[in-house]
Amino acid sequence: SQQGEEDPQALSIQEGENATMNCSYKTSINNLQWYRQNSGRGLVHLILIRSNEREKHSGRLRVTLDTSKKSSSLLITASRAADTASYFCATGDISSGSARQLTFGSGTQLTVLP
Amino acid sequence: DVKVTQSSRYLVKRTGEKVFLECVQDMDHENMFWYRQDPGLGLRLIYFSYDVKMKEKGDIPEGYSVSREKKERFSLILESASTNQTSMYLCASSAPGSSYEQYFGPGTRLTVT
Repeated sequence: SQQGEEDPQALSIQEGENATMNCSYKTSINNLQWYRQNSGRGLVHLILIRSNEREKHSGRLRVTLDTSKKSSSLLITASRAADTASYFCATGDISSGSARQLTFGSGTQLTVLP
Repeated sequence: DVKVTQSSRYLVKRTGEKVFLECVQDMDHENMFWYRQDPGLGLRLIYFSYDVKMKEKGDIPEGYSVSREKKERFSLILESASTNQTSMYLCASSAPGSSYEQYFGPGTRLTVT
């Protein structure tokens, strides 16, 4: 079942601008993660935020989490053409078993124009 | 660095063939996963395994089976390939007791004709 829903589905910006992507989910979570996927490749983990955290930074990435609204946002500052990729949120549900499976959303396609 | 490898980047098979997709990880991870990815649908979990010889169905197991005889290797089997199984297949692994972070292979784009 699909848990996270990203918004927008596609985003096109100019190099140097900030990009914001949103994710909504439905159940109680242990943590929320963001992944990046370059065209035709596997996913790469970007950042994880735990359910008791509200904001986290990593380089040009800023993630916020609002558990009351069951939503998260990923902000990429000062974007570069190399940031062009699909971005997925994934939730680790409290109810998941020992394998700690994640539930992924359908992704936001970000295009950064030079 | 964790490395997850998949046996093929591109694969073309005929309807009705038995297809094996292999995944190997080199970080001694207990957990391994198989997903398929289709446009607009994101990643959907087919099967996962949390130990050798253990397997659990994901959200879309129909038409697939898996095998985990060794800790580092997790195979996805399409018993009789059909055109609706044309997709990108992604393998991932994660460590136990971790915060669920998964490491992905490069993917296998399977076309069934």
